[in-house]
Amino acid sequence: DIQMTQSPSSLSASVGDRVTIACRTSQDISNYLAWFQQKPGKVPHLLIYAASTLESGVPSRFSGSGSGTDFTLTISSLQPEDVATYYCQKYDSAPLTFGGGTKVEI
Amino acid sequence: QITLKESGPTLVKPTQTLTLTCTFSGFSFTTSRVGVGWIRQPPGKALEWLAIIYWDDDQRYSPSLRSRLTITKDNSKNQVVLTMTNMDPVDTATYYCAHRPRYDNNFLGPFDIWGQGTMVTVSS
Repeated sequence: DIQMTQSPSSLSASVGDRVTIACRTSQDISNYLAWFQQKPGKVPHLLIYAASTLESGVPSRFSGSGSGTDFTLTISSLQPEDVATYYCQKYDSAPLTFGGGTKVEI
Repeated sequence: QITLKESGPTLVKPTQTLTLTCTFSGFSFTTSRVGVGWIRQPPGKALEWLAIIYWDDDQRYSPSLRSRLTITKDNSKNQVVLTMTNMDPVDTATYYCAHRPRYDNNFLGPFDIWGQGTMVTVSS
């Protein structure tokens, strides 16, 4: 099965900082990669699909890039409301595996 | 507007079978070639995909849990049911159901709408 590895597992940054989260897969998944944000005590929320397409309503400070096996989620200017855990997920075919998550704190 | 809601027991005993129901609105399997999946999250841990069922009754399962899971759907009730056998305390988690859409290019997307989740505790 394809392994999904996120890094780092956690990070602390200041308001206004540029934050980058990596997701690596063990096999080529083209661009079938999504990013989710889960705020404390809340339901996961889709941010990005097709590796780089922003879901409707998602602030433009979020961006995604990559294809094949290496992907990145970037928050261009971290805001207090971005405190959350972020997950990547492959959705090219089953199993629809999630990464281990990256906890972002301020 | 698409909504999903999970229902089922909050407490099950070890070795028992868990049955969870996802009741949805805003779409139908008979008119939309989409999927509904189940994902769980143990307290303080990561998301784990469990299973998915599609409009054509195709079912896919997590390889590590396949022997314990069954997913079915009832088109007349707009429901998807997940059963998990031989429950263990490590299965204590919040269980979510979620909608998997089909985009205009005819490709299936990731889970875009999630239910609120239901917490299941496994304890004697």
